[in-house]
Amino acid sequence: DAGVTQSPTHLIKTRGQHVTLRCSPISGHKSVSWYQQVLGQGPQFIFQYYEKEERGRGNFPDRFSARQFPNYSSELNVNALLLGDSALYLCASMSSSYEQYFGPGTRLTVT
Amino acid sequence: GQQLNQSPQSMFIQEGEDVSMNCTSSSIFNTWLWYKQEPGEGPVLLIALYKAGELTSNGRLTAQFGITRKDSFLNISASIPSDVGIYFCAGFSNDYKLSFGAGTTVTVRA
Repeated sequence: DAGVTQSPTHLIKTRGQHVTLRCSPISGHKSVSWYQQVLGQGPQFIFQYYEKEERGRGNFPDRFSARQFPNYSSELNVNALLLGDSALYLCASMSSSYEQYFGPGTRLTVT
Repeated sequence: GQQLNQSPQSMFIQEGEDVSMNCTSSSIFNTWLWYKQEPGEGPVLLIALYKAGELTSNGRLTAQFGITRKDSFLNISASIPSDVGIYFCAGFSNDYKLSFGAGTTVTVRA
């Protein structure tokens, strides 16, 4: 079975631009969460979606938004990029027993 | 948000040693998860704990969910070189947020 997939793998953007990151969960999982991980730290929770509804939100500005599609895949959008948004963005798919399985991440660099 | 204090921050292992790391929180969690992350990859789930006092093993790894629900530890027995990496504890609360510790970096002692 395929694990969590994310695209793109790497991305370079300029300050002020917008970015869209994509995630496909493990087959059968209905919940997707997004995390930001900066170098040297643990992942920080951004959003959780379940059945296309936002179920949780972390302490991130409104420039960050997400959505989940009927096939349970998800997009994370970040507007007006700042240098500090440079990080590894991780998507996690959650099982019915609350185990979260992570994808390989998208490495975003903002210049 | 929840604060997870993970210790030690880093450790050096010699092949064959048993190592231990722990995590404490200011808040109660319903679920504790332990992950390992290697450079350039996403975290990989090692062990999930669901009940206070629960002790669970996965091969050479053993983890426990603390009685107070505010702490957990992970032991690695008879360490091998491929155990190097960054280990994270994570706690899952009622608000659907998974909070992570800062990680324990395990490296091989030369």
